[in-house]
Amino acid sequence: DAGVIQSPRHEVTEMGQEVTLRCKPISGHNSLFWYRQTMMRGLELLIYFNNNVPIDDSGMPEDRFSAKMPNASFSTLKIQPSEPRDSAVYFCASMTSGFSTDTQYFGPGTRLTVL
Amino acid sequence: GNSVTQMEGPVTLSEEAFLTINCTYTATGYPSLFWYVQYPGEGLQLLLKATKADDKGSNKGFEATYRKETTSFHLEKGSVQVSDSAVYFCALSGISSGSARQLTFGSGTQLTVLP
Repeated sequence: DAGVIQSPRHEVTEMGQEVTLRCKPISGHNSLFWYRQTMMRGLELLIYFNNNVPIDDSGMPEDRFSAKMPNASFSTLKIQPSEPRDSAVYFCASMTSGFSTDTQYFGPGTRLTVL
Repeated sequence: GNSVTQMEGPVTLSEEAFLTINCTYTATGYPSLFWYVQYPGEGLQLLLKATKADDKGSNKGFEATYRKETTSFHLEKGSVQVSDSAVYFCALSGISSGSARQLTFGSGTQLTVLP
């Protein structure tokens, strides 16, 4: 069974460019999470969706970041315009939501470098 | 709010040594507790979990016991191997906005095992 799929695995771009990260959650999972990992700040939750609806985006750093989940099998995280301080590894995770289930499954991550 | 405090790293051990990585938490209610492991260049993988007080999670020789009285979930392994070299994250799952349980992560502990 396929796990969480993220693309691209690596992205190098120049400051000011638009960056789009993609995620395909595990089939049947109805919650999806976007995280950012940096040496300075560790793992930070950016946003999460439940049944394709954004529930909590309080972790999104600023208006340059936006996330969408048009259907149950696809989500994007977009940065426009990108800045060097956005360089990080971005993880997507999915799970089956509910009060009795709480294990998130992570994708391999996208390593973003903004020059 | 919820928080996780993890033993500062990095930790360097010789093969077959005993491992302890301390983790304490602050949470309201009855969170589930997790240890995730991140191997170089990969995403986070669930190592073990415990969902209620006195539960012991175990996997691949690693163990952790949910201690409500000391609000701790220390990770232990009796004999580490070089292949255990990775970053270990303690996390708790608590109810936030919406219906999905969000994870709160510790800062991670880098473990290096020398042959």
